[in-house]
Amino acid sequence: GAVVSQHPSWVICKSGTSVKIECRSLDFQATTMFWYRQFPKQSLMLMATSNEGSKATYEQGVEKDKFLINHASLTLSTLTVTSAHPEDSSFYICSANRGGDAYEQYFGPGTRLTVT
Amino acid sequence: GQNIDQPTEMTATEGAIVQINCTYQTSGFNGLFWYQQHAGEAPTFLSYNVLDGLEEKGRFSSFLSRSKGYSYLLLKELQMKDSASYLCAPMDSNYQLIWGAGTKLIIKP
Repeated sequence: GAVVSQHPSWVICKSGTSVKIECRSLDFQATTMFWYRQFPKQSLMLMATSNEGSKATYEQGVEKDKFLINHASLTLSTLTVTSAHPEDSSFYICSANRGGDAYEQYFGPGTRLTVT
Repeated sequence: GQNIDQPTEMTATEGAIVQINCTYQTSGFNGLFWYQQHAGEAPTFLSYNVLDGLEEKGRFSSFLSRSKGYSYLLLKELQMKDSASYLCAPMDSNYQLIWGAGTKLIIKP
C-alpha cells in the first residue's frame, strides 16, 4: 500500500507558458500532501504543504502566485507552474501521508520540468 | 537553527556492512526518518525511529539516540542496487521533515 503517482513524469515547455503537475494517492486517502523541488545534487526543498479543501501553506521564498496548488480531494493535488522560466527547470516531487499518527511521507516518482 | 550533518559520500564493497551516521539539531523532535533516493528518482521510505534504540528491518537497521541528537543507518550484505543517496530527515516540533543533502553511497564489486 501507500502508492503515490505523479503525472507527467517529464515535461518540456516554452518560457512563459504554464504547466500543471498532478499528484495522486492511489490506495489511501492523503490528509496532507507536500510539494518539493530538487535541483541536481541538492537536498529536497519543501515548497508547500496542502490539506484537502484548504489553502496551501507556502514556505518562505516560494511565490504562491507562481506555484498554484490545489488540493481538491483526499487523493488529488495539483501544482501549476505559471509563466514558467528556465530557472524553474527542476525535479518536482510530491508526497503524501495518511494523517493521524502516520507521519511517514510516501513520494510520487517525480516530474522533471525543463523550460526552454 | 535546524541542522543535519551526514557524510557527503561513502564507498563500500558488495557483501560488506556500512554504517551511515547522522547528527541533527532541530526545534523540537518528533522522530527521525531514513529515506533512500536513487539518482533521478524520488525518495523511498526506509525507516522511522521515535524512541531510542535499534529498529531492524531485513538488511537495514536504524538506530536513534535522542539525547545525543544522533542516528545511524546500518546496511548489511550490501548489493549493487544499494548504491543510492541516503537521507536522514528528523521531524521537528511542527511535524515538518528537515532534509539535508544526504549521503551518496557507492558500492563497488
